[in-house]
Amino acid sequence: NAGVMQNPRHLVRRRGQEARLRCSPMKGHSHVYWYRQLPEEGLKFMVYLQKENIIDESGMPKERFSAEFPKEGPSILRIQQVVRGDSAAYFCASSPDRGRNEQFFGPGTRLTVL
Amino acid sequence: GNSVTQMEGPVTLSEEAFLTINCTYTATGYPSLFWYVQYPGEGLQLLLKATKADDKGSNKGFEATYRKETTSFHLEKGSVQVSDSAVYFCALSGDQGAQKLVFGQGTRLTINP
Repeated sequence: NAGVMQNPRHLVRRRGQEARLRCSPMKGHSHVYWYRQLPEEGLKFMVYLQKENIIDESGMPKERFSAEFPKEGPSILRIQQVVRGDSAAYFCASSPDRGRNEQFFGPGTRLTVL
Repeated sequence: GNSVTQMEGPVTLSEEAFLTINCTYTATGYPSLFWYVQYPGEGLQLLLKATKADDKGSNKGFEATYRKETTSFHLEKGSVQVSDSAVYFCALSGDQGAQKLVFGQGTRLTINP
């Protein structure tokens, strides 16, 4: 069973461009979480999605950030008009439906904004 | 809201030394508690977990006990190795099914030969 896949692993954007980060959860997992890790800091929750639905977006900045998890295909975290402060590692995690859900993390996408 | 406080790093030890990384939490109800490890340039890997009071999670020589009376989940290892050098994160999730993880700030551990 392949783990959580994220791509790209590294992404460089200039200020004002758009960044699209992709996450394919583990097979059989329908819950996806996005976290952001700023340099030398812990991970901060951004958004939690279940197929086609946003369940909790309490950690998402109000502007420029959006997330989706369509019925088919990977989850996408989209950052419009990136700024230097968006430079960070973005991690996706997935979990199965039942029980005390344990989250499995992908390798992350490291976004650098020039 | 829920929060996690970790012992600040960095921590530097010699090989075979005893390790303790302190973690305390604030949460309502009965959260699940986790320790994750992050090696350089990689994502997080689950090291161990505990889902109820007095549970002990263990893996690869690491242990942590869920102490509800002291709201703590300290990570311990009796004899560390150079390969244990990494950043360690304590985290919790709520007790209502699928829940977001709340992380501590992380503790960077370096083991010298």
